[in-house]
Parts: sequence; structure tokens; C-alpha cells
Amino acid sequence: DIQLTQSPSFLSASVGDRVTITCRASQGLSSYLAWYQQKPGKAPKLLIYAASTLQSGVPSRFSGSGSGTEFTLTISSLQPGDFATYYCQHLNGFPLTFGGGTKVEIK
Amino acid sequence: EVQLVESGGGLVQPGGSLRLSCAASGLTFSDQHMDWIRQAPGKGLEWVGRIRNQDYSHTTEYAASAKGRFTVSRDDSQNSLYLQMNSLKTEDTAVYYCARAMNGRYFDLWGQGTLVTVSS
Repeated sequence: DIQLTQSPSFLSASVGDRVTITCRASQGLSSYLAWYQQKPGKAPKLLIYAASTLQSGVPSRFSGSGSGTEFTLTISSLQPGDFATYYCQHLNGFPLTFGGGTKVEIK
Repeated sequence: EVQLVESGGGLVQPGGSLRLSCAASGLTFSDQHMDWIRQAPGKGLEWVGRIRNQDYSHTTEYAASAKGRFTVSRDDSQNSLYLQMNSLKTEDTAVYYCARAMNGRYFDLWGQGTLVTVSS
């Protein structure tokens, strides 16, 4: 099974900060990786798929990059509504797996 | 409006069974690959299982934790997805989400989730 390791697991940041979250895969994924945002008590929301493609309706301050085994999610200027937990997910065969999550909290 | 609505969660004793449902609306349900994903309290997301669309003969895939105990099924005439859970364990306690697997790879549409609690 493909293991996804996110870092950091917790991040404290201020509004306006640039934030980067990393997802490392135990084997190569090509570009088959997605990023989700989840707020407490809510279902996850798709942000990025195919490593770098922004889902429709997602603000352009979110971006994704990477291929192979290392991927990043960047928020260029953190907004109040961005404080949430972020998950990566691989799309490269079964079983599908998610990273452990990165919780972004207000500094 | 395109939406997925889960139901059927609740409290069940260890060893018991439960059937979750997911009602889809606003989309051509029969064309979709559909998945179940769960989240234990305070924990991360765990993929449970998939059922493919009719073009792929409704074949299924399961996580190791679900294989042999859980069954994903669907009724395209009712626009409904199901998760039959047998031999439930305390570690199956979670919010269960149904989700559409767009292009069979990423989850672009999620339900609101239904809570399953396995406890004596």
C-alpha cells in the first residue's frame, strides 16, 4: 500500500502568511495526488487534483505542485476561512489512502 | 442541486450489523463511481470501499479493514448507494461519508456524513 506522510502535522500561522504543506509518498505517484480542506464538523472539500489543477471555485491563492514522491500545497496569503485541516490523497490505484492531515491554526 | 445525503447511522453493539444509505440527486447516478470514506472521532480520513459504474459492471474494491465484513452496493434505479456493515468492531466507530469519485480518482462531491457508534 502507498503511504502518504504529511508535514507538518500542525502549523500555526497568521492571516496573510504564506503557508506550505508537504506530502511525501512511499512510492512514485506520477501526478496522481489530490488535496482536500476540512473544517470541523464538515465534509472534506476538494481543492487540488492531478497535483496542480485547481478545482472549480477554489480561490487562486491555493496552488499545488510536485510529482513522483513529493508534493506541496501552498496558500499564498492565508485568509481567515483557511484555518482548517488539510489532507493529501493519492489517486494511483487501490487501496486509496490519505495523508495524516495538517491542521492550520491561527497564531 | 447536486447532492449526496447519507442516512442509517446510529448506535450498534460490537458484532452487530448496520446498513448505511446514500441518496444522490442532481446527477446521473448510474454514470458515477461511488465510494465510502470514514473518519474516526478526532482522526484522519480512511477510504473504505468503491463501487464502479455500470460500464465497469459495478465491480468493487475494499480497504483491508473492510474486506470480508463490509459490502458496497448500489441501486441505480433508486439513485442510491449502500454500505452493509457486518461483524462491527469498536474501531469501526466513525463518521461515514459517501463520495463521488470523479474520473475514478478524486472526490469532488461528498455527503454530510452519518455517525456510526459501535459500543456495548
